[in-house]
Amino acid sequence: DTEVTQTPKHLVMGMTNKKSLKCEQHMGHRAMYWYKQKAKKPPELMFVYSYEKLSINESVPSRFSPECPNSSLLNLHLHALQPEDSALYLCASSQMDRERDTEAFFGQGTRLTVV
Amino acid sequence: AQSVTQPDIHITVSEGASLELRCNYSYGATPYLFWYVQSPGQGLQLLLKYFSGDTLVQGIKGFEAEFKRSQSSFNLRKPSVHWSDAAEYFCAGGPANNLFFGTGTRLTVIP
Repeated sequence: DTEVTQTPKHLVMGMTNKKSLKCEQHMGHRAMYWYKQKAKKPPELMFVYSYEKLSINESVPSRFSPECPNSSLLNLHLHALQPEDSALYLCASSQMDRERDTEAFFGQGTRLTVV
Repeated sequence: AQSVTQPDIHITVSEGASLELRCNYSYGATPYLFWYVQSPGQGLQLLLKYFSGDTLVQGIKGFEAEFKRSQSSFNLRKPSVHWSDAAEYFCAGGPANNLFFGTGTRLTVIP
């Protein structure tokens, strides 16, 4: 099973709302990621979790708050977003085995629209 | 700085024709290289990967890629394109916990 599951698939939220994006994987991966993808652009890395600890935060505004409750789950909490935050948010995961090369598997994404 | 470059923004091919999508990399060490495909509004699906060893890599859906260190290239090929191959294709460099993507090549397939 090489599946990363993201919910919801679509989300429309107002600028004063609080919402969360969820991501789940059951591949035993110990690294999980959030990416943001604007239309016609490549994905941009936002956050990296390694063994459930935040290891990389690519200068993302504080209105985006990641959380990794356990090794299978990754959340992205959203608060006071701006219309320019509308994008496809992708979750990915990979093994964290220093002795083996590894690849990242992506979910289907959450299409977020901020109104 | 590490980077990958996809020189072609958009490519159109006829169904049944062969395909080659270009990717050039700039890397200090032995690169980890990947090709992903993305259908509209969907996530990224891994087509194939190169870590080391055999420079001709086979992937899913009939795709292959060849790593050429002398040309700093990792081009994606398919001998006969199907209409369902129409999508956005991204070349990426690794490692997995620090992927950097090319700007993508949009593939259109005409009957």
